[in-house]
Amino acid sequence: NAGVTQTPKFQVLKTGQSMTLQCAQDMNHEYMSWYRQDPGMGLRLIHYSVGAGITDQGEVPNGYNVSRSTTEDFPLRLLSAAPSQTSVYFCASRLRSRNYGYTFGSGTRLTVV
Amino acid sequence: RKEVEQDPGPFNVPEGATVAFNCTYSNSASQSFFWYRQDCRKEPKLLMSVYSSGNEDGRFTAQLNRASQYISLLIRDSKLSDSATYLCVVNGGYNKLIFGAGTRLAVHP
Repeated sequence: NAGVTQTPKFQVLKTGQSMTLQCAQDMNHEYMSWYRQDPGMGLRLIHYSVGAGITDQGEVPNGYNVSRSTTEDFPLRLLSAAPSQTSVYFCASRLRSRNYGYTFGSGTRLTVV
Repeated sequence: RKEVEQDPGPFNVPEGATVAFNCTYSNSASQSFFWYRQDCRKEPKLLMSVYSSGNEDGRFTAQLNRASQYISLLIRDSKLSDSATYLCVVNGGYNKLIFGAGTRLAVHP
C-alpha cells in the first residue's frame, strides 16, 4: 500500500514556465487536496476535490489549476510560474467522513527563479 | 484574527517532562479537530483526532473545550523522539481543514 505518492520531489522552474505536480493515492479516498506550506504561515489550501469530476477552490487558488478525472489522481498545474509560488506543496487524501484526518504525500519542493 | 492560532514556541523541555500545547479556533461551527506532527522537512502525520469528551493515546492526551473554542495536547514523559512541530487542525467546513502554524517542541537529554 503506497499511500499518497507525489512527483517530483524537487523542481526548479524559471519564471513563466508551466508544470504539473503529480499526486496519486491507492487508498480509494474520496477527498483529495493540495496545500502549500511557507515558513511561519502553516499549510494553506489551494484546491480540493470531493470526488472524480468535482473540484473547488481553497484559500489560495490563483495561478493553479486542478482536475480530477479519476478517484486516484489529482494533478496540480502551475500555469505560469512566479517566484511567489516557491514553496513546499503537499497533496493529501482522506475518506469522506469528517472524522478521518488526511494522509499526506511526502511533498514537492518547488523553487521558481 | 487567524482561524487557528497556536503559540509558535519553541518549547525546550528535558526528557521526562510533561508539556502542554494550546490552540484556539475562531469558527464555532467547526465539527472535527486533529493534532498532527511534522518533523523537519517531512510531511505532516496525523497524531490523533480530538473528541469532545477528551481522548488519550499512550502518553498523549487531547482535550476540546467547545465553549471556549480551545484545544489542547498534553505530552507526558517526553522522549527525544517527540521533538517535532505540532500542528493544530480544525475542520473549517466542507472538506476545508484549517491548519495552525504549529508549535515547535525540542526535547533535550
